[in-house]
Amino acid sequence: QKEVEQDPGPLSVPEGAIVSLNCTYSNSAFQYFMWYRQYSRKGPELLMYTYSSGNKEDGRFTAQVDKSSKYISLFIRDSQPSDSATYLCAMMSGSQGNLIFGKGTKLSVKP
Amino acid sequence: DTGVSQNPRHKITKRGQNVTFRCDPISEHNRLYWYRQTLGQGPEFLTYFQNEAQLEKSRLLSDRFSAERPKGSFSTLEIQRTEQGDSAMYLCASSLPGAIPGNTIYFGEGSWLTVV
Repeated sequence: QKEVEQDPGPLSVPEGAIVSLNCTYSNSAFQYFMWYRQYSRKGPELLMYTYSSGNKEDGRFTAQVDKSSKYISLFIRDSQPSDSATYLCAMMSGSQGNLIFGKGTKLSVKP
Repeated sequence: DTGVSQNPRHKITKRGQNVTFRCDPISEHNRLYWYRQTLGQGPEFLTYFQNEAQLEKSRLLSDRFSAERPKGSFSTLEIQRTEQGDSAMYLCASSLPGAIPGNTIYFGEGSWLTVV
Protein backbone atom coordinates (compact mmCIF):
# COMPACT_ATOMS: atom_id res chain seq x y z
CA GLN A 1 0.00 0.00 0.00
CA LYS A 2 1.37 3.39 -0.98
CA GLU A 3 1.60 6.00 1.77
CA VAL A 4 -0.67 8.38 -0.16
CA GLU A 5 -3.47 7.25 -2.46
CA GLN A 6 -5.16 9.56 -4.94
CA ASP A 7 -7.55 8.68 -7.76
CA PRO A 8 -5.88 9.85 -10.99
CA GLY A 9 -9.19 10.47 -12.75
CA PRO A 10 -9.57 12.02 -15.26
CA LEU A 11 -12.42 14.08 -13.86
CA SER A 12 -14.52 16.19 -16.23
CA VAL A 13 -17.09 18.70 -14.96
CA PRO A 14 -19.11 21.56 -16.49
CA GLU A 15 -18.16 25.13 -15.72
CA GLY A 16 -19.69 26.30 -12.44
CA ALA A 17 -19.75 22.85 -10.84
CA ILE A 18 -18.43 22.08 -7.38
CA VAL A 19 -15.40 19.82 -7.59
CA SER A 20 -14.34 17.43 -4.85
CA LEU A 21 -10.83 15.99 -4.87
CA ASN A 22 -9.64 13.51 -2.27
CA CYS A 23 -6.65 11.64 -0.92
CA THR A 24 -6.21 8.97 1.70
CA TYR A 25 -3.03 8.19 3.56
CA SER A 26 -1.65 5.54 5.85
CA ASN A 27 1.10 7.28 7.85
CA SER A 28 -0.35 8.71 11.06
CA ALA A 29 2.81 10.83 11.52
CA PHE A 30 1.76 13.20 8.74
CA GLN A 31 0.91 16.59 10.18
CA TYR A 32 1.13 18.98 7.22
CA PHE A 33 -1.16 18.60 4.25
CA MET A 34 -0.87 20.49 0.98
CA TRP A 35 -2.63 20.77 -2.32
CA TYR A 36 -0.64 21.68 -5.40
CA ARG A 37 -1.92 22.55 -8.87
CA GLN A 38 0.15 21.55 -11.85
CA TYR A 39 -0.46 22.69 -15.40
CA SER A 40 0.84 20.57 -18.24
CA ARG A 41 4.65 20.48 -18.39
CA LYS A 42 4.97 23.00 -15.54
CA GLY A 43 6.14 22.73 -11.95
CA PRO A 44 3.63 22.26 -9.11
CA GLU A 45 2.19 25.44 -7.63
CA LEU A 46 1.12 25.50 -3.97
CA LEU A 47 -2.62 26.13 -3.59
CA MET A 48 -3.31 25.50 0.07
CA TYR A 49 -1.79 23.93 3.14
CA THR A 50 -3.33 22.78 6.39
CA TYR A 51 -1.75 21.80 9.66
CA SER A 52 -3.38 18.87 11.47
CA SER A 53 -7.17 18.47 11.27
CA GLY A 54 -9.72 21.06 10.27
CA ASN A 55 -10.88 23.22 7.42
CA LYS A 56 -9.27 26.09 5.59
CA GLU A 57 -10.90 28.34 3.03
CA ASP A 58 -9.27 30.58 0.43
CA GLY A 59 -11.58 32.13 -2.11
CA ARG A 60 -13.22 29.36 -4.15
CA PHE A 61 -11.01 26.69 -2.55
CA THR A 62 -11.63 24.80 0.69
CA ALA A 63 -9.25 22.22 2.14
CA GLN A 64 -10.39 19.71 4.74
CA VAL A 65 -8.34 17.30 6.81
CA ASP A 66 -9.80 14.44 8.85
CA LYS A 67 -6.88 12.83 10.65
CA SER A 68 -9.10 10.26 12.37
CA SER A 69 -10.06 8.87 8.95
CA LYS A 70 -6.69 9.70 7.31
CA TYR A 71 -8.61 11.51 4.59
CA ILE A 72 -8.10 14.92 3.02
CA SER A 73 -10.22 16.83 0.53
CA LEU A 74 -10.06 19.88 -1.69
CA PHE A 75 -13.29 21.51 -2.82
CA ILE A 76 -13.43 23.97 -5.69
CA ARG A 77 -16.58 26.07 -5.93
CA ASP A 78 -17.81 27.70 -9.15
CA SER A 79 -15.18 25.86 -11.16
CA GLN A 80 -13.71 27.65 -14.17
CA PRO A 81 -12.03 26.35 -17.34
CA SER A 82 -8.80 27.89 -16.00
CA ASP A 83 -9.00 25.40 -13.11
CA SER A 84 -8.28 22.61 -15.61
CA ALA A 85 -5.05 21.09 -14.36
CA THR A 86 -3.69 18.18 -12.35
CA TYR A 87 -4.23 18.51 -8.60
CA LEU A 88 -1.66 16.86 -6.36
CA CYS A 89 -2.09 16.22 -2.66
CA ALA A 90 1.12 16.16 -0.62
CA MET A 91 1.95 15.46 3.00
CA MET A 92 4.81 15.62 5.40
CA SER A 93 5.54 14.94 9.03
CA GLY A 94 7.29 17.54 11.12
CA SER A 95 10.45 15.46 11.19
CA GLN A 96 10.78 14.85 7.46
CA GLY A 97 12.53 17.07 4.97
CA ASN A 98 10.44 15.98 2.06
CA LEU A 99 6.90 15.83 0.76
CA ILE A 100 5.07 12.62 -0.09
CA PHE A 101 2.80 13.17 -3.09
CA GLY A 102 -0.25 11.44 -4.44
CA LYS A 103 -0.40 10.56 -8.14
CA GLY A 104 -2.49 13.61 -8.93
CA THR A 105 -6.04 13.94 -10.26
CA LYS A 106 -6.44 15.40 -13.74
CA LEU A 107 -9.36 17.83 -13.79
CA SER A 108 -11.02 19.25 -16.88
CA VAL A 109 -13.63 21.99 -16.56
CA LYS A 110 -15.69 22.32 -19.73
CA PRO A 111 -17.13 25.73 -20.75
CA ASP B 1 11.80 36.86 -11.35
CA THR B 2 12.49 35.67 -7.80
CA GLY B 3 11.18 32.11 -8.17
CA VAL B 4 13.12 28.83 -8.34
CA SER B 5 15.05 28.74 -11.60
CA GLN B 6 16.05 25.54 -13.40
CA ASN B 7 18.28 25.03 -16.43
CA PRO B 8 18.15 23.61 -18.98
CA ARG B 9 14.39 23.27 -19.31
CA HIS B 10 14.69 20.45 -21.82
CA LYS B 11 17.48 17.99 -22.54
CA ILE B 12 17.59 15.15 -25.04
CA THR B 13 20.54 12.83 -24.63
CA LYS B 14 21.71 9.49 -25.90
CA ARG B 15 21.78 6.53 -23.59
CA GLY B 16 25.09 6.32 -21.76
CA GLN B 17 25.81 10.05 -21.81
CA ASN B 18 26.09 12.20 -18.70
CA VAL B 19 23.76 15.12 -18.06
CA THR B 20 23.76 17.90 -15.49
CA PHE B 21 20.89 20.10 -14.33
CA ARG B 22 21.23 23.33 -12.41
CA CYS B 23 18.86 24.84 -9.85
CA ASP B 24 18.92 28.35 -8.43
CA PRO B 25 16.64 28.54 -5.37
CA ILE B 26 14.70 31.51 -4.09
CA SER B 27 17.08 33.93 -2.46
CA GLU B 28 17.50 33.29 1.28
CA HIS B 29 15.91 29.84 1.07
CA ASN B 30 18.48 27.59 2.65
CA ARG B 31 16.65 24.32 2.01
CA LEU B 32 16.83 22.91 -1.51
CA TYR B 33 15.11 19.76 -2.77
CA TRP B 34 15.30 17.60 -5.87
CA TYR B 35 12.31 15.56 -7.00
CA ARG B 36 11.67 13.38 -10.04
CA GLN B 37 8.31 13.14 -11.78
CA THR B 38 7.34 10.65 -14.51
CA LEU B 39 4.20 10.87 -16.62
CA GLY B 40 1.03 10.13 -14.67
CA GLN B 41 2.83 10.12 -11.32
CA GLY B 42 3.31 12.62 -8.55
CA PRO B 43 6.78 13.97 -7.79
CA GLU B 44 9.07 11.59 -5.92
CA PHE B 45 11.64 12.87 -3.47
CA LEU B 46 15.30 12.37 -4.41
CA THR B 47 17.36 14.44 -1.98
CA TYR B 48 17.54 17.66 -0.01
CA PHE B 49 20.12 20.10 1.27
CA GLN B 50 20.17 22.51 4.14
CA ASN B 51 22.75 25.07 3.13
CA GLU B 52 25.60 22.99 1.65
CA ALA B 53 24.88 19.85 3.70
CA GLN B 54 23.04 17.01 1.98
CA LEU B 55 20.75 15.83 4.78
CA GLU B 56 18.70 13.11 3.16
CA LYS B 57 18.88 10.90 0.09
CA SER B 58 16.13 8.66 -1.24
CA ARG B 59 16.80 5.07 -2.25
CA LEU B 60 15.72 6.26 -5.71
CA LEU B 61 19.02 8.15 -5.92
CA SER B 62 21.22 5.41 -7.37
CA ASP B 63 24.99 5.71 -7.49
CA ARG B 64 24.68 7.15 -11.02
CA PHE B 65 23.05 10.23 -9.52
CA SER B 66 24.94 12.87 -7.61
CA ALA B 67 23.76 16.20 -6.27
CA GLU B 68 25.87 19.02 -4.95
CA ARG B 69 25.33 22.41 -3.42
CA PRO B 70 28.89 23.58 -2.88
CA LYS B 71 28.30 27.08 -1.52
CA GLY B 72 24.83 26.68 -0.16
CA SER B 73 23.31 28.61 -3.04
CA PHE B 74 22.71 26.91 -6.41
CA SER B 75 22.67 23.14 -6.79
CA THR B 76 23.51 20.70 -9.56
CA LEU B 77 22.10 17.25 -10.22
CA GLU B 78 24.27 15.02 -12.39
CA ILE B 79 23.16 11.76 -13.93
CA GLN B 80 25.96 9.56 -15.23
CA ARG B 81 25.58 6.85 -17.87
CA THR B 82 21.96 7.76 -18.51
CA GLU B 83 19.39 5.02 -19.09
CA GLN B 84 16.01 5.24 -20.78
CA GLY B 85 14.36 4.82 -17.39
CA ASP B 86 15.89 8.14 -16.33
CA SER B 87 13.55 9.97 -18.73
CA ALA B 88 11.47 12.21 -16.47
CA MET B 89 11.00 15.76 -15.29
CA TYR B 90 13.49 16.73 -12.61
CA LEU B 91 12.03 19.29 -10.24
CA CYS B 92 13.91 21.54 -7.88
CA ALA B 93 12.25 23.21 -4.91
CA SER B 94 13.34 25.46 -2.09
CA SER B 95 12.09 26.54 1.31
CA LEU B 96 13.04 28.10 4.62
CA PRO B 97 13.47 25.68 7.52
CA GLY B 98 11.06 25.73 10.42
CA ALA B 99 7.37 25.39 10.88
CA ILE B 100 4.88 26.02 8.10
CA PRO B 101 4.15 28.61 6.77
CA GLY B 102 7.83 29.41 6.98
CA ASN B 103 8.91 26.25 5.25
CA THR B 104 6.38 26.27 2.43
CA ILE B 105 8.07 24.51 -0.41
CA TYR B 106 8.17 26.29 -3.78
CA PHE B 107 8.89 24.40 -6.98
CA GLY B 108 10.64 25.43 -10.15
CA GLU B 109 9.34 24.78 -13.65
CA GLY B 110 11.32 21.55 -13.95
CA SER B 111 13.93 20.17 -16.33
CA TRP B 112 12.68 17.59 -18.80
CA LEU B 113 15.06 14.78 -19.65
CA THR B 114 14.54 12.46 -22.60
CA VAL B 115 17.01 9.61 -23.01
CA VAL B 116 16.99 8.08 -26.49
